[in-house]
Amino acid sequence: GDSVTQMEGPVTLSEEAFLTINCTYTATGYPSLFWYVQYPGEGLQLLLKATKADDKGSNKGFEATYRKETTSFHLEKGSVQVSDSAVYFCALYNNDMRFGAGTRLTVKP
Amino acid sequence: KAGVTQTPRYLIKTRGQQVTLSCSPISGHRSVSWYQQTPGQGLQFLFEYFSETQRNKGNFPGRFSGRQFSNSRSEMNVSTLELGDSALYLCASSSFLGGAGTDTQYFGPGTRLTVL
Repeated sequence: GDSVTQMEGPVTLSEEAFLTINCTYTATGYPSLFWYVQYPGEGLQLLLKATKADDKGSNKGFEATYRKETTSFHLEKGSVQVSDSAVYFCALYNNDMRFGAGTRLTVKP
Repeated sequence: KAGVTQTPRYLIKTRGQQVTLSCSPISGHRSVSWYQQTPGQGLQFLFEYFSETQRNKGNFPGRFSGRQFSNSRSEMNVSTLELGDSALYLCASSSFLGGAGTDTQYFGPGTRLTVL
């Protein structure tokens, strides 16, 4: 069945460092791809999404490109801030929503 | 616009009991999905409702059931509770205007269920 595999954490970075969280998927057809973020004490929020191949989703300085040839949707940010500390979930929607295990990011000043 | 609300926020039950959780979607949203989040299994899809009809169901036993009302509010029920049902249960709503999978799902804060 469909599945999402994302980079295991935790990930600890210094402020202004470059961030990459890898995400690959297995699915039939053409799923929609998402990154969700869960800040401490808060619910899940959509960070960005892409609904077809080569689409780039972007929000709050984060970007991810839907790569069908490599079945990937890696999350990147050029310069992280302390406020980006959260758990990040990669997800796909085909017939239902499938989530990755989540990657905890901690950004230190 | 009010967000997705879930009640109750916390619940403690004992094995064998049953429980009902409630979810009120964002006004105007007609699709409601339920998820179970546990440290071991992560986030798993339970079911999705649209216009009072179950569109899709995840791989959970029949003890897990749900329904949606005409005002789009949804409830999920778990019967004969087991220790392994302890989890955070999340509800998400979407407008479904663009079709499944393209609309943004907005999540509620969740109901934390503890089974003793």
